[in-house]
Parts: sequence; C-alpha cells; structure tokens
Amino acid sequence: GQNIDQPTEMTATEGAIVQINCTYQTSGFNGLFWYQQHAGEAPTFLSYNVLDGLEEKGRFSSFLSRSKGYSYLLLKELQMKDSASYLCALKSNYQLIWGAGTKLIIKP
Amino acid sequence: DAGVIQSPRHEVTEMGQEVTLRCKPISGHDYLFWYRQTMMRGLELLIYFNNNVPIDDSGMPEDRFSAKMPNASFSTLKIQPSEPRDSAVYFCASSFTQAGNEQFFGPGTRLTVL
Repeated sequence: GQNIDQPTEMTATEGAIVQINCTYQTSGFNGLFWYQQHAGEAPTFLSYNVLDGLEEKGRFSSFLSRSKGYSYLLLKELQMKDSASYLCALKSNYQLIWGAGTKLIIKP
Repeated sequence: DAGVIQSPRHEVTEMGQEVTLRCKPISGHDYLFWYRQTMMRGLELLIYFNNNVPIDDSGMPEDRFSAKMPNASFSTLKIQPSEPRDSAVYFCASSFTQAGNEQFFGPGTRLTVL
C-alpha cells in the first residue's frame, strides 16, 4: 500500500526559513511532487523530484531521499503570500497519491 | 492557453437533485483527472481518463457518481441523486504524458447540497 505523512500545520515568521517534511511508504516510486494551495484556490505545481538530492527553484527548494522515504520543501525569505497549504504527492503510474497537506501560517 | 476550465464555479442544490459538473482540459493534454476535496478527507482522486478512456474509477464513491469524456476537450462528472455529504470542492486537472506528468488544476466547482 501507500502512505504519506506530513505535519498538519506549521507557523513561521516573515523573512525566515521553514522546512516542511513529507515521509512516505510505497511499493512503487515514480517521483514526488510538491504543490501549493492558497485558501479557496486550486493546487499549483511547485516542484518534482525523481532522483535523490536537492532541486532549487528560487526561494523554494525540494529534497528527496528515496532510501529513507523522505522529502522536504524548503522555503527561504518567507513572505506573507507564502501563507498556504503545501501538499506532498507521490507519483504512481499516472496518478498522484496526495498527502493531507501542511497549512503554513506566516506571522509578521 | 486558458488553462483548465470548469463550470459552474459554484453550485447550490437540494438533496435528491442531479448535479453535472463540466471540465475542459488544456488542449493537447491526454490525461484528465477528477478530484474531490474536503476538510476532513483532503484531496481524493475520483476517476481519471487517458485519451478519453476511463482508466481507474476506483475512487468513485458509489453508483450515484458517474463521469464521461466524450471527446478530448470535454468531460462531465454527474451526481444523481445528490446528498448533503457530497458537498465539497470538485477539481478537474489535466496533464501531458511526456511533460513530467505535472497536473494542471482547474479553479474547481464548490458544490453545496442542502
């Protein structure tokens, strides 16, 4: 079977750095996605990791360790607009298996 | 490209009524997904199509739900009869086989069944 776990909620300060973790168990791994979802809006793509290591994209980076079943999303120089839910999703064939999401609250 | 288009954006109906949600995927995308999102259950995959053919409908909650994709540019999700527990946001998403399988989501339909 497949299982994805991520924290329900996190709080961070504007300008700081935050790391959102995602652990997973799966019988077949084809990649891991991170999506951002603002309240009342649709999820939007942030990053995709299929090999171990760090993928950097501006203020956002995503890390993957396949042997540990572990990924994280790193957000730097936090801005108020980063307040959103961040969803981790496993790729299995052409489906995505979604985590419950981490609600990130940014405080001034 | 206009992105994935869904209609209506909001739907309020009474229990027992038929509800039809519509989706137009991004042109050229060969995969289409229907999701339901609630606070309690998060984002759930209901069904997905490849080249207009339903591939996996194991997420469809029960026989009251049905989905069709008559052509590459249109899909419907129908609930008949609707129940209050069907109240949720329904998202349609599409993706292109050779493009890393990133899914592009429509704005969603917020369904309220009274």
